[in-house]
Amino acid sequence: DTGVSQDPRHKITKRGQNVTFRCDPISEHNRLYWYRQTLGQGPEFLTYFQNEAQLEKSRLLSDRFSAERPKGSFSTLEIQRTEQGDSAMYLCAGGDRSVTGANVLTFGAGSRLTVL
Amino acid sequence: GEDVEQSLFLSVREGDSSVINCTYTDSSSTYLYWYKQEPGAGLQLLTYIFSNMDMKQDQRLTVLLNKKDKHLSLRIADTQTGDSAIYFCAERPPGTYKYIFGTGTRLKVLA
Repeated sequence: DTGVSQDPRHKITKRGQNVTFRCDPISEHNRLYWYRQTLGQGPEFLTYFQNEAQLEKSRLLSDRFSAERPKGSFSTLEIQRTEQGDSAMYLCAGGDRSVTGANVLTFGAGSRLTVL
Repeated sequence: GEDVEQSLFLSVREGDSSVINCTYTDSSSTYLYWYKQEPGAGLQLLTYIFSNMDMKQDQRLTVLLNKKDKHLSLRIADTQTGDSAIYFCAERPPGTYKYIFGTGTRLKVLA
């Protein structure tokens, strides 16, 4: 257990439905990332928050995707009108600074989305 | 381009050394990272190296960095069956908050 919690772990939905994923990082994580990972690929960046501010968003992120971090603690990622191509693992990571000064990511276990 | 490249598969015998290679994109990246992913799990940080270093050793792990060629490698000594996983290298280029991950190398350790 890394301390970064994601919910739900698995979600099966029909095409066209909306889904929401939640991430609870460790309290010290003022930085929070969402990534998407499809089978056989590395994680692909979706968006980044510093506290409650969304500072970077992938150009690949369509307007069906929205993320929030209202109080700078937990975050939600919503996908509207899901498509089969949205089927993937959605990973959340908290950003921290190591004792040597390196910025490192601590990942949650992920939320797997299957769109039928 | 923005592709961090890794070979897809590596198979070694238990007790041998494994070497996983990565070519990253931006020679200005300050830190380079190695993450490990076991089935059904998120990514776990293994180690990282500061860009002004050529080598870093951490128990069974040795990281080598060739900044000129933008080449990073991870050597695992005395590879064990528990090391079977997918290994990702990652960089965070300057001017962006995002970490860019490679496609991952699936390491299979044969008993």
